[in-house]
Amino acid sequence: AQSVTQLDSHVSVSEGTPVLLRCNYSSSYSPSLFWYVQHPNKGLQLLLKYTSAATLVKGINGFEAEFKKSETSFHLTKPSAHMSDAAEYFCVVSGGGGSYIPTFGRGTSLIVHP
Amino acid sequence: EPEVTQTPSHQVTQMGQEVILRCVPISNHLYFYWYRQILGQKVEFLVSFYNNEISEKSEIFDDQFSVERPDGSNFTLKIRSTKLEDSAMYFCASSEFTPVHEQFFGPGTRLTVL
Repeated sequence: AQSVTQLDSHVSVSEGTPVLLRCNYSSSYSPSLFWYVQHPNKGLQLLLKYTSAATLVKGINGFEAEFKKSETSFHLTKPSAHMSDAAEYFCVVSGGGGSYIPTFGRGTSLIVHP
Repeated sequence: EPEVTQTPSHQVTQMGQEVILRCVPISNHLYFYWYRQILGQKVEFLVSFYNNEISEKSEIFDDQFSVERPDGSNFTLKIRSTKLEDSAMYFCASSEFTPVHEQFFGPGTRLTVL
C-alpha cells in the first residue's frame, strides 16, 4: 500500500523569501515520487521527480526536493519565491504499493505576497 | 511543444444523461489515463489504458464508466448515466512509457451534473 500526506493545505510567503512545501509518504516498496504544479485553469505540470537515483532532485523554475528515506519525506523547496509561483502543488507517490498507479496528496496552495 | 488537449473545457449535463469527454494525448505516447478531482478534494486515479485495453482501474471506475481509443489520436471517457456526484474536473494524461514515468496532463474538463 502507499499513501502521501501533504502537511499544509496553505503556505503563505513573501516574494523573495524561501519556500518549503512538506510531503510525507508511506510505501511497501521503493517508490517514485513527484511534485506537480497546477496553475489556475491549467493542467498539472511536472516540477521534478525522484526515481531511485540522486536523493537531491532539481526541477524546473528553481525548485528542488530531497528524498529522505529515514524520514519518509520528499519536501519541496525554493530559495526565493516569485509571484508566478503562486499555484497549487501536489506531491505524488507511485510504485510504492506494488502498482504503478499514482496516489496524489491533497495539495498545498502556495500564496505569494508582494 | 506537444501537449495533451481536452474538449470541452466545461460540460453541463442533466442527471441520467450520457457524457463523453474527449482527449488528444501526445502523439508518440503509449499510456493514457483519466483522473478526476472533485472540488476541494484530491486528484483521484480512474483508469489507465495501454495497447488498446484497460491496464488498471480504480474502485471509482465502475460499470458506468468506459474508455475508448476510437482512432489513432482520440482517447475518450464515457459516463453512461451521470449522477450528481460525478460533478468534478476530469483530467486526461499520457506518458511515453510506464506510469512511473512523467505523465503529461491536459487542462481538464469541468463536468457539472444538474
